Amino acid sequence: NAGVTQTPKFQVLKTGQSMTLQCAQDMNHEYMSWYRQDPGMGLRLIHYSVGAGITDQGEVPNGYNVSRSTTEDFPLRLLSAAPSQTSVYFCASSRDGNQPQHFGDGTRLSIL
Amino acid sequence: ELKVEQNPLFLSMQEGKNYTIYCNYSTTSDRLYWYRQDPGKSLESLFVLLSNGAVKQEGRLMASLDTKARLSTLHITAAVHDLSATYFCAVDWGETSGSRLTFGEGTQLTVNP
Repeated sequence: NAGVTQTPKFQVLKTGQSMTLQCAQDMNHEYMSWYRQDPGMGLRLIHYSVGAGITDQGEVPNGYNVSRSTTEDFPLRLLSAAPSQTSVYFCASSRDGNQPQHFGDGTRLSIL
Repeated sequence: ELKVEQNPLFLSMQEGKNYTIYCNYSTTSDRLYWYRQDPGKSLESLFVLLSNGAVKQEGRLMASLDTKARLSTLHITAAVHDLSATYFCAVDWGETSGSRLTFGEGTQLTVNP
């Protein structure tokens, strides 16, 4: 029972590089979200999706793109990495609002 | 813009003592979630509160929701060391229920022997 799987777990990038953080869930959840967590702060919502083909912006969407072509996958793309995007990124999924979000283990991203 | 404020942000308490963490939010919502995070780990769901007056209890933790006051509390009874962690509340304000959460800053709890 894998739950929410994020890859990679760690990544170091140079400023200006692009990359995709992968997120997959095997629980057939409709809702999926991406958050970033900076030291001493709570989680901030980047983008979210309420189903395949439907995405919307959260609190801090600039510099990130998402797509949701399948129920299972919700990749997060950094278009041109900046040091300010150094953070821990969490993906989460849930069936609906009556259930809690299930979180992946996170991706620790450093941008030099 | 929805604001979610937790207090205290840091809490050091002795084993066996009781304490309450508060979560205030600035807009109407009837869904609130509590999570726990251990250092370097992911978030674990504790409680889902779905209506005004909701109360949930699990072990030494009890959570409640007052939507009229826009306030949730997480009460700790007879704290033990294993409860040391960071606790987050999250408020749902999405057009589709449960889709869009705003988190508080977290309360870092340390339980000392």
